[in-house]
Amino acid sequence: AQKVTQAQTEISVVEKEDVTLDCVYETRDTTYYLFWYKQPPSGELVFLIRRNSFDEQNEISGRYSWNFQKSTSSFNFTITASQVVDSAVYFCALSEANTGFQKLVFGTGTRLLVSP
Amino acid sequence: GAVVSQHPSWVICKSGTSVKIECRSLDFQATTMFWYRQFPKQSLMLMATSNEGSKATYEQGVEKDKFLINHASLTLSTLTVTSAHPEDSSFYICSPLRLYEQYFGPGTRLTVT
Repeated sequence: AQKVTQAQTEISVVEKEDVTLDCVYETRDTTYYLFWYKQPPSGELVFLIRRNSFDEQNEISGRYSWNFQKSTSSFNFTITASQVVDSAVYFCALSEANTGFQKLVFGTGTRLLVSP
Repeated sequence: GAVVSQHPSWVICKSGTSVKIECRSLDFQATTMFWYRQFPKQSLMLMATSNEGSKATYEQGVEKDKFLINHASLTLSTLTVTSAHPEDSSFYICSPLRLYEQYFGPGTRLTVT
């Protein structure tokens, strides 16, 4: 069964600190996608990244970076030099080939609070 | 591209009444639509999946007679919460599927008094 675990319920940091949000997933499928979404207070989900199971290359996009390690079934997300605007709830999600990639399973989310 | 709208963005209704939420994909056609529900400080939970012109498939524990989903066209899907009760108060999010990728509407916050 597919499952996504975000053990960190809430993280508080001061602006300019680096912060890493953890995501551990479970799947029996060999082909799957992993996602990160940001949900600011407005509620609208913002897509951040999609990574397929065959691409373990780490990715950097500005202050954001992602570390995908199949050996530990983890897909962690790091924000460098955090800013107040980064305050939001961040969700990791998984979709599998055996559902036609049509079923997204979300983790419980990590609430990030960045204070000035 | 991939703009999704939901209407209304928030609604307050009295217990026992019905509420209809509309979801539109503005610049693409979606044969498949997902509806999620999110309670405060919780994750998104899939309620149902619908394909255009077909009956929706509901997740376990979701009452199909209470949450009516209509997906009559490739750009419009509606979720009707019938005989709403305070425990139905939640944030409802639609998600049309486009080329194996899900896009998300801005959500509708429902409060039942």
